[in-house]
Amino acid sequence: DAKTTQPTSMDCAEGRAANLPCNHSTISGNEYVYWYRQIHSQGPQYIIHGLKNNETNEMASLIITEDRKSSTLILPHATLRDTAVYYCIVRVAESGANSKLTFGKGITLSVRP
Amino acid sequence: DAGITQSPRHKVTETGTPVTLRCHQTENHRYMYWYRQDPGHGLRLIHYSYGVKDTDKGEVSDGYSVSRSKTEDFLLTLESATSSQTSVYFCAISDPGLNYGYTFGSGTRLTVV
Repeated sequence: DAKTTQPTSMDCAEGRAANLPCNHSTISGNEYVYWYRQIHSQGPQYIIHGLKNNETNEMASLIITEDRKSSTLILPHATLRDTAVYYCIVRVAESGANSKLTFGKGITLSVRP
Repeated sequence: DAGITQSPRHKVTETGTPVTLRCHQTENHRYMYWYRQDPGHGLRLIHYSYGVKDTDKGEVSDGYSVSRSKTEDFLLTLESATSSQTSVYFCAISDPGLNYGYTFGSGTRLTVV
C-alpha cells in the first residue's frame, strides 16, 4: 500500500471549515483513499473514501487532485466534537490478505470555540 | 457500531493469567481483525481472520493467539498476560459496503498488573 504524509496537527475555529491535507504521491491506479478519525478513547470511525472523483457524504467531503497524488478532507462546519485524530490511508479496495488497513500517526485536529 | 461488539469493555488481570477477549459481529462479514493501540505506537495489527478457522499473524502477534470457530466470533487470547500487553484492543471487520473499509468496535481496555 502507498504511504501517506499528513501534517502533525492543525486547528480551526468552531463553525468554520476544516481542510485536512494528505499527500500520497506513490498511489497506484487501483488504490483508494480512505479517511478515518479517532475521537479520544473510542474506536476509529470510517468517514469517507474515494478513488478519483470527489466524494461527499453526511460527514465530510473528499477532494482528490486530478493526478491523485494528494487529497483534502473537508469538514464543512467543524464543531468541538470533531476534535480528533484523522487518518488518511491508501489501499486497494478488497478484503484480501494484502489489503490490510495500516494506520500512520494521522493529524490531530483541534477545534477551538 | 454496525453490529460489532467487544467484550469485556474493561478488564484488570494479573500477570501470568490467561485472558480472552471476544469480538462479535452480526454482519456475516468474512474478514475480522484485532489491533492494539498504545501511546506512541498508534494502531498495530495483532492477528486477522479471513474465514472460519482461517487466521494469520499481524505485525505484533507474539504472546497472542486467536480462534474463529464461527463467522460471527473472533477471539483473542493472551496465554499468559504480561504488563507489556496492557493496552486498548480494537476489533474490526472489513465491510464490502465501504469498499472493504473497516468498521471498528468500541475497544477493550486491558490492564495487566
